[in-house]
Amino acid sequence: AQRVTQPEKLLSVFKGAPVELKCNYSYSGSPELFWYVQYSRQRLQLLLRHISRESIKGFTADLNKGETSFHLKKPFAQEEDSAMYYCALSGQGFSFIFGKGTRLLVKP
Amino acid sequence: GAGVSQSPSNKVTEKGKDVELRCDPISGHTALYWYRQSLGQGLEFLIYFQGNSAPDKSGLPSDRFSAERTGGSVSTLTIQRTQQEDSAVYLCASSPTGGGYGYTFGSGTRLTVV
Repeated sequence: AQRVTQPEKLLSVFKGAPVELKCNYSYSGSPELFWYVQYSRQRLQLLLRHISRESIKGFTADLNKGETSFHLKKPFAQEEDSAMYYCALSGQGFSFIFGKGTRLLVKP
Repeated sequence: GAGVSQSPSNKVTEKGKDVELRCDPISGHTALYWYRQSLGQGLEFLIYFQGNSAPDKSGLPSDRFSAERTGGSVSTLTIQRTQQEDSAVYLCASSPTGGGYGYTFGSGTRLTVV
């Protein structure tokens, strides 16, 4: 069955420290992976998608099919990065599914 | 419209009452999704509409939950005989063709059952 796992409910780092939010998926076909972010009092919005191979707000994510992972990384965290982050999977024959989310807290 | 619109933004209801939550997707988007967001549970998939196909109802937690989409546009999520555990934020999203591209969320309806 298709599944997205985000093992950390909460990740707390200091400003300027590197951050990595983990995401693992289970899917036998060709996956499309996404990261969504929800800042306080705002709606959920797309951060980035693997197929674009882009860097948004300093964040990058590489799809590793061997490890079935799509971890989100940023070399130097900022306080404004504090938010809820969701990893999501899209594929053939099923609706878009999300992980349970990781709350990132960047402390000053 | 310019975005996905949900109403009401907040709803407080008494246990046992029925509630209806509305979602107005982006014009032309054929796919519409409902999710429930609650503390500790993340985003829980409820139901998925794609064009004129039969909806994927596999995420509905009980038969008290139902949803319909009229004319391929507006969708209504109905919860009958509400329980306190139904308290959550109910999110709607739409996309042009299904899958992940152009996927846009509404701001949600916060439901509180007292």
